[in-house]
Amino acid sequence: AQSVAQPEDQVNVAEGNPLTVKCTYSVSGNPYLFWYVQYPNRGLQFLLKYITGDNLVKGSYGFEAEFNKSQTSFHLKKPSALVSDSALYFCAVRDGAGSYQLTFGKGTKLSVIP
Amino acid sequence: EAQVTQNPRYLITVTGKKLTVTCSQNMNHEYMSWYRQDPGLGLRQIYYSMNVEVTDKGDVPEGYKVSRKEKRNFPLILESPSPNQTSLYFCASSARGTSYNEQFFGPGTRLTVL
Repeated sequence: AQSVAQPEDQVNVAEGNPLTVKCTYSVSGNPYLFWYVQYPNRGLQFLLKYITGDNLVKGSYGFEAEFNKSQTSFHLKKPSALVSDSALYFCAVRDGAGSYQLTFGKGTKLSVIP
Repeated sequence: EAQVTQNPRYLITVTGKKLTVTCSQNMNHEYMSWYRQDPGLGLRQIYYSMNVEVTDKGDVPEGYKVSRKEKRNFPLILESPSPNQTSLYFCASSARGTSYNEQFFGPGTRLTVL
């Protein structure tokens, strides 16, 4: 069975500082990894994905994520946080050799403090 | 405008009264899915559909039914709702291929079962 862990329920960061939202995963085959963001009272929006290739992937709004196979991690990062980045972030995984079912983590609430 | 629509957006009902939440997408996507979002549990998949007349159970299918008679529609049916189905529900769709999991989400339906 595939699973995702987001170890932090909440991350607080000062505006202008770098941010990291952590994600670790477990799949039996090759992982397809995703980050989604949810703003208040909205549905989820796709940010970025890793399927294969370069371990550092870039996505929307200046976010990037680094795939680390040995640590089974896919942490989301941004060099300089904005107040408007405050939202709920979800990591998700799919087994590339398995079904198309996508498994989400429990989410991490990011608060960027002015 | 490419979008996933859900209706109703808010619904308060009583135990045992059958209800249907509609979901429609205008992007000609093959894949559609239903999730429920609960505090501390993240998003959990209820059912998904790979194409017309093809549906499969997700992680929490008990108490729900779906159908996929047309490509654009994927209604969620609660035959006999119970209070533990009080939740925020999201419909999502995506196209074929590796982009299968770049899912487009609807705005959500907040359901309360009394």
